[in-house]
Amino acid sequence: DAGITQSPRHKVTETGTPVTLRCHQTENHRYMYWYRQDPGHGLRLIHYSYGVKDTDKGEVSDGYSVSRSKTEDFLLTLESATSSQTSVYFCAISTQDTQYFGPGTRLTVL
Amino acid sequence: KNEVEQSPQNLTAQEGEFITINCSYSVGISALHWLQQHPGGGIVSLFMLSSGKKKHGRLIATINIQEKHSSLHITASHPRDSAVYICAVSSSDKLIFGTGTRLQVFP
Repeated sequence: DAGITQSPRHKVTETGTPVTLRCHQTENHRYMYWYRQDPGHGLRLIHYSYGVKDTDKGEVSDGYSVSRSKTEDFLLTLESATSSQTSVYFCAISTQDTQYFGPGTRLTVL
Repeated sequence: KNEVEQSPQNLTAQEGEFITINCSYSVGISALHWLQQHPGGGIVSLFMLSSGKKKHGRLIATINIQEKHSSLHITASHPRDSAVYICAVSSSDKLIFGTGTRLQVFP
């Protein structure tokens, strides 16, 4: 699993509140990704990072921001959570041979 | 039209059957991935391939770059193979995913 952890694993929050999800890796991989998974849509890329302080947007980046101040941590922030952001969020890293996914965070926005 | 299309969307099989899941894509790729996700579970990478064929146990993945098509085969299927199988392609440092094929194998 390339030492990927996500926290929290489950969160329930209210509309309008900020939320930060954390992805942590232990193997110094350069590329890290945040995806969301929704029924009927599959996995969709929110943001990704190709190094410390180097990030770029994915296809569903509106309403999300990211930060990567250390190689091992990639944070995803929902600036003002909305019900449409209720989803399962996966972090991933890529190597030359494969991608490794974190265990996921189930977020519910009421 | 999605850039990565999988078929079928749902598949049921009896234990022991040979299973094929198909993936077609419309973009230029550097590699294609097959992933497995068990219900309520995490996502595991099964294969990454850029040409030819790979085999791991009862699983075989093939890719035809010219036809932009890949297949995942499961031989001698077992109930523990029940999962969602996801095809994804690497394009410009990013993955583009299909919506998955839900497989149920009954004893």
